Amino acid sequence: QVQLVESGGGVVPPGRSLRLSCAASGFTFSNSPMHWVRQAPGKGLEWVAVTSHDESNKHYADSVKGRFTISRDNVKNTLYLQMNSLRAEDTAVYYCARDGFGTIDYWGQGTLVTVSS
Amino acid sequence: DVVMTQSPLSLPVTLGQPASISCRSSQSLVYSDGNTYLNWFQQRPGQSPRRLIYKVSTRDSGVPDRFSGSGSGTDFTLKISRVEAEDVGVYYCMQGTHWPWTFGQGTKVE
Repeated sequence: QVQLVESGGGVVPPGRSLRLSCAASGFTFSNSPMHWVRQAPGKGLEWVAVTSHDESNKHYADSVKGRFTISRDNVKNTLYLQMNSLRAEDTAVYYCARDGFGTIDYWGQGTLVTVSS
Repeated sequence: DVVMTQSPLSLPVTLGQPASISCRSSQSLVYSDGNTYLNWFQQRPGQSPRRLIYKVSTRDSGVPDRFSGSGSGTDFTLKISRVEAEDVGVYYCMQGTHWPWTFGQGTKVE
């Protein structure tokens, strides 16, 4: 069955960097576009970024453009989110999610990122 | 960006009674291939979101048939024919037609 397991969250001071990982299994990762979606504490869902299966196409939310980079390793079946210049408003649970063409069909359990001094 | 507006934001329900959530988009969600990429997700307390419905009205495997989706263009609805206790949570619509993809604010069913 499809499994998405995020890691790399934690507490980080404002202005610093953090890299999230998402280990995928149970499907052909190299064929699937993948997303990051986040949820601030007590708030709704916010789509963050997507990469095509081969990284040839990427899109970002305006709120993270220029600071976050989505990437993937199709040999390791792993999705990444490099987050630079972190701000307090980036505090959220970050979910890795699989694309189903115009939809998200599977979600990970999420990893919490807290930006605080 | 496409703005997704849900109503109501809070929906008190009675077990066994129907419930309905509206989702409106600021522009048409019809894609160039003719499909409409409007999705509904359920998020139970303490859990990750789970997809219920995609392409307006296609129910996911394992989703009870008391859930149904309808609509077209910019106006969409999620209906629960008879609310059960396990339906408590927050429901989100999301459009996958235009970049960036966007979610509604969420409707808390309690």
